[in-house]
Amino acid sequence: EDQVTQSPEALRLQEGESSSLNCSYTVSGLRGLFWYRQDPGKGPEFLFTLYSAGEEKEKERLKATLTKKESFLHITAPKPEDSATYLCAVQAWGNEKLTFGTGTRLTIIP
Amino acid sequence: DADVTQTPRNRITKTGKRIMLECSQTKGHDRMYWYRQDPGLGLRLIYYSFDVKDINKGEISDGYSVSRQAQAKFSLSLESAIPNQTALYFCATSDKPGTSGRAAYNEQFFGPGTRLTVL
Repeated sequence: EDQVTQSPEALRLQEGESSSLNCSYTVSGLRGLFWYRQDPGKGPEFLFTLYSAGEEKEKERLKATLTKKESFLHITAPKPEDSATYLCAVQAWGNEKLTFGTGTRLTIIP
Repeated sequence: DADVTQTPRNRITKTGKRIMLECSQTKGHDRMYWYRQDPGLGLRLIYYSFDVKDINKGEISDGYSVSRQAQAKFSLSLESAIPNQTALYFCATSDKPGTSGRAAYNEQFFGPGTRLTVL
């Protein structure tokens, strides 16, 4: 069974303080690993897809990386508007289902 | 205007009532999904549909049914609501493989959610 574990559950950072969020996964043949951002009261918003170990994607202050066992979402010099819950999901080959983690709730303090 | 819309946004109902949640999309995607989100459990797939004539059960379909009325509309029904169906419900859409290259499929686009409370 595919599994996704995200850590930490919650993270509070000062504005400008860089850090990383972790997504550890087990999957029977990775088709794709997905990162989403979710604001309170809203649906998840797609950020990145990663397909193979060593791949990296960047968007503004966010950078996602992938190894064979985990993915990191690095946030550089975060701003208060980066506060949200960040969700990780994996999809296995031959399976249309995405398996989601429970998310990391990120708070950036001005 | 939002690409994926859900109605209602909030609903309170009683045990045993039938309730329908509706989803519409203007993204032109063939694939549509229904998820529920519970604290500490993450998003879980209820049903998904790859086109109007294709309906598939997800991991937690018991107690739910769906209808794909058109490419753009996908409804979720609770035939007889029970309190443990209290949750946030999300509709999502995605493109089909090959339409936009390798990266496109299963990049799912979510609606704003429906908060359902069953008393």
